[in-house]
Amino acid sequence: GDSVTQMEGPVTLSEEAFLTINCTYTATGYPSLFWYVQYPGEGLQLLLKATKADDKGSNKGFEATYRKETTSFHLEKGSVQVSDSAVYFCALRTNFGNEKLTFGTGTRLTIIP
Amino acid sequence: GAVVSQHPSRVICKSGTSVKIECRSLDFQATTMFWYRQFPKQSLMLMATSNEGSKATYEQGVEKDKFLINHASLTLSTLTVTSAHPEDSSFYICSARWGLRNTEAFFGQGTRLTVV
Repeated sequence: GDSVTQMEGPVTLSEEAFLTINCTYTATGYPSLFWYVQYPGEGLQLLLKATKADDKGSNKGFEATYRKETTSFHLEKGSVQVSDSAVYFCALRTNFGNEKLTFGTGTRLTIIP
Repeated sequence: GAVVSQHPSRVICKSGTSVKIECRSLDFQATTMFWYRQFPKQSLMLMATSNEGSKATYEQGVEKDKFLINHASLTLSTLTVTSAHPEDSSFYICSARWGLRNTEAFFGQGTRLTVV
């Protein structure tokens, strides 16, 4: 079945550091890929997405590229801020059937000033 | 983005009692709602998918008689955990979307259920 494996946390970085959170997937066919972010006390929010191979999703300085050859969708940001502290979830969605989302375990990111 | 409100955010109940969790779409009509469960340090696991006015479709291994889902209107879905036991303690999250396939789903803030 479909699955998503992402870097285990927690991850702690200093402000302005470079961020990478790894995500790899296993899926039938060609899924859409997503990164969601959950800030403290809030629901999950869509951060970015990519729907086909080589697409790059980007938002708020974060980027992730859909790499079919390595089945990866790593999240990157060049210079993190304290406000980026949150839990990040990688997810995939099949493009047939009930289109359910399959999530990774989440990575807690803490940015220290 | 659209707002999905989940209530309560935390609930503690005694073993054997039932607990109802509400999920409301505040500014859009949710034709489809999803209920997830998250154990500590694990993924969000889809429990069921419900379409307004229809019976929910449960994922394999989820007891439909224990986790009752009602989606009676386009803005409200409820999850009732019946005869709760300590092993039902978990974080429950709903999401909602409208319209046709491939539209974005919006998430509630989750409900922490503790059964004592």
